[in-house]
Formats: sequence, structure tokens, C-alpha cells
Amino acid sequence: DADVTQTPRNRITKTGKRIMLECSQTKGHDRMYWYRQDPGLGLRLIYYSFDVKDINKGEISDGYSVSRQAQAKFSLSLESAIPNQTALYFCATSDTGTSGDPNEQFFGPGTRLTVL
Amino acid sequence: QKEVEQDPGPLSVPEGAIVSLNCTYSNSAFQYFMWYRQYSRKGPELLMYTYSSGNKEDGRFTAQVDKSSKYISLFIRDSQPSDSATYLCARLDSGGYQKVTFGTGTKLQVIP
Repeated sequence: DADVTQTPRNRITKTGKRIMLECSQTKGHDRMYWYRQDPGLGLRLIYYSFDVKDINKGEISDGYSVSRQAQAKFSLSLESAIPNQTALYFCATSDTGTSGDPNEQFFGPGTRLTVL
Repeated sequence: QKEVEQDPGPLSVPEGAIVSLNCTYSNSAFQYFMWYRQYSRKGPELLMYTYSSGNKEDGRFTAQVDKSSKYISLFIRDSQPSDSATYLCARLDSGGYQKVTFGTGTKLQVIP
């Protein structure tokens, strides 16, 4: 009963190839995020989207692009993959904030990407 | 300087020990701080959050924020092998977008 799914779970590709990572959610959340996780650097935000028409760059968006095809789908693309994009990629979702309290982010299982 | 600094560990403790995990932050404007737990080969999941300064307790877990020293702590009492995971502290962006900035995570191993 995974609420946030990511495909593929693992991918090995070569330098220069175009790669798309996909994220789907059944939680009905408006907000979706893409992060990458690297040892010693933690989770860093690549892009985030607060609805289908609202997409924003995070702290490390260079070399990446995204597409919000529907409320439930948010894809991350690497137009020309390079080895330093080898990392664990996570998609996350959260509900729209209506109070001052923080909204929990729900993470998918991750995609392990290796660029040779 | 990263906005949230965290000792990466690893931290290894015997079962039943009290665990203290710590982070420091650099911007006093932040109001909300969170702890996420990440098991191996899984995505992070929210453990608990605290507002401003003070303590918050949830079962064996206590989160503490000391604004004067800009310190965030997570205490785990009676630690269990199932607590073995990476713990990430995080702060909430004070703007309207509710973006979250994560620390690098501390890997904890509780030995039976």
C-alpha cells in the first residue's frame, strides 16, 4: 500500500544519456519534491512543486529538469547524465499548509542512480 | 557554513542505553525543527517536531531545542535494536513555502 512510489528503483546509465525518474502518489497531496542524498551531504532539494502550475528550483537544480504531469505525478529528468549525479534520489509529498504547524513530508522508497 | 550541522557518526550503543543525537543551526529565525528517521534502503519518515524552544516527548523519544545555544537534540531512552537507523535533523523554512533543510544525518546502531 505504498502511498509514494518511485520508478525505477535502481538504474545504471552512461555519461551523456538522458534519464527520467518518475514519482507517483496516492495521498492526494498538492506539494511534491525531489531530493538527492549523498554521503556526507545529506538530503538536498532539487525542485519542488506546490501544484501543477507551480514549479520552483531548489538548491541544486543545475543539470536537472522536472515535469508535473498531474497532481499525482512529478518526474525528474537528467538531460545529459554525468558521474557526479550518481546518488540516491527521493521524491516526497506534503499536504498544503493551513495552519502554522509544519506539514509532514512523506518520502518514496528512493531511486539509486549510477552514472558511469 | 551549512544551516544545519550534524555529526555523521556512526554512533554505536548497547541496547537499553540512553542515546543523545545533536544538531546545531545557524539562523535564529527558524521556529520549527524536526527529526526524521531513515532505515536502510528506505525513505526518511517524520519522527517528531518541536516549535521554538523547549521539549517535546513522545514515548521513548524526547526532542529539545535550545535557542540560546542554537542546539537541537533528540534523546532516545531504553534504546532498542529497532532504533538502528539514520536520524536527520531538519529545520523548516520560515517563509510561506514550508521548505525543509536537512542535516546530513547521524547513523545509529543499537547492539543487542
